[in-house]
Amino acid sequence: AQSVTQPDIHITVSEGASLELRCNYSYGATPYLFWYVQSPGQGLQLLLKYFSGDTLVQGIKGFEAEFKRSQSSFNLRKPSVHWSDAAEYFCASFSGGYNKLIFGAGTRLAVHP
Amino acid sequence: NAGVTQTPKFRVLKTGQSMTLLCAQDMNHEYMYWYRQDPGMGLRLIHYSVGEGTTAKGEVPDGYNVSRLKKQNFLLGLESAAPSQTSVYFCASSYSTGGLLNTEAFFGQGTRLTVV
Repeated sequence: AQSVTQPDIHITVSEGASLELRCNYSYGATPYLFWYVQSPGQGLQLLLKYFSGDTLVQGIKGFEAEFKRSQSSFNLRKPSVHWSDAAEYFCASFSGGYNKLIFGAGTRLAVHP
Repeated sequence: NAGVTQTPKFRVLKTGQSMTLLCAQDMNHEYMYWYRQDPGMGLRLIHYSVGEGTTAKGEVPDGYNVSRLKKQNFLLGLESAAPSQTSVYFCASSYSTGGLLNTEAFFGQGTRLTVV
């Protein structure tokens, strides 16, 4: 069955430090992959998406993600974290064959000043 | 642009009561989804629809029913609410694939439901 795994439930980084949030997917064909961010009490906002082509994709707010087929991964990165980045981050996969958008359990990011 | 609108935003129900959550989108999207979000469990798909008049079960469909009588609306019903259905519910919509690369999902602001 199609699934998305985010191995880290909580991550804490210092402001200005680099960030990498992990995401692994399981699906045979190349999936469509997304990263969403949810601030407390808010809905979800799309950070970036990967459909095909260049495996390094740029998103909003200075985020980027790299698709690695050999590792079935789509990790989210940011070179320098800001306090406003504290939120919950969700990786998601859409498969046309299944017509569903499946989410990982999320990673809650805390940023220390 | 309204995007995806959910009503109501908050609701408290007593066990055994029924209610319907409404999701409306004005983007002419084919696909619509209902998710529930619980702490530490991310978003879990309840039901989804790939077009007007069609619905399908997701990961956690038990205790819920849905209808898609009009393309722009997707209703989620709880016939007999239980405390286990206390959650935040999100509706989303997207285009289908079908050659389009615009399969980004747009989300509503959520409905916080408490069942006591």
